[in-house]
Amino acid sequence: GAVVSQHPSWVICKSGTSVKIECRSLDFQATTMFWYRQFPKQSLMLMATSNEGSKATYEQGVEKDKFLINHASLTLSTLTVTSAHPEDSSFYICSARNGGNTIYFGEGSWLTVV
Amino acid sequence: QKEVEQNSGPLSVPEGAIASLNCTYSDRGSQSFFWYRQYSGKSPELIMSIYSNGDKEDGRFTAQLNKASQYVSLLIRDSQPSDSATYLCAISPSTASKLTFGTGTRLQVTL
Repeated sequence: GAVVSQHPSWVICKSGTSVKIECRSLDFQATTMFWYRQFPKQSLMLMATSNEGSKATYEQGVEKDKFLINHASLTLSTLTVTSAHPEDSSFYICSARNGGNTIYFGEGSWLTVV
Repeated sequence: QKEVEQNSGPLSVPEGAIASLNCTYSDRGSQSFFWYRQYSGKSPELIMSIYSNGDKEDGRFTAQLNKASQYVSLLIRDSQPSDSATYLCAISPSTASKLTFGTGTRLQVTL
């Protein structure tokens, strides 16, 4: 199946700093990528839909100025958590559509803000 | 009513038995249906996709779709302890749309 790579797998940062997470589709071009957040024992919550070359579409309640999403190429999207706080600690997962019906997920990134 | 509903479980089945996971959805316009498996602390992994009414089989997994009744199910035959995970039902209204996930059903396969 298609491969979506996420980096870093885990990151610890100090409160107030910014963290960037990368999502790459390794063997296909992804015109659309999605960013999710998942808290322990909860389901995936879609944060935003990222389209190559255009602004991301954010879900209701997600602060676009805090969660900056860039989709500069057909194989790379980045999520930057700005001025991170402990409540932003979560599992962040990206996914990419392969041009057809199927969406593949990256491995996820654990963010801990201390 | 939630867009995608699943029983949170846990669903406990003995090894070798058939596990039946169910999902109902509210949007009649939904066209694409997916089952993902998620192990604790890991990201979801695609198990099955189904787009038309009926059954679709892949190894030990069978997805069943009934658009008239708005439900989709996943059967796991010969359940193994390694099948213990949370199974997420995901639905999309069209090929270009985002997925809407259910909250997932936790499956426990006991020895």
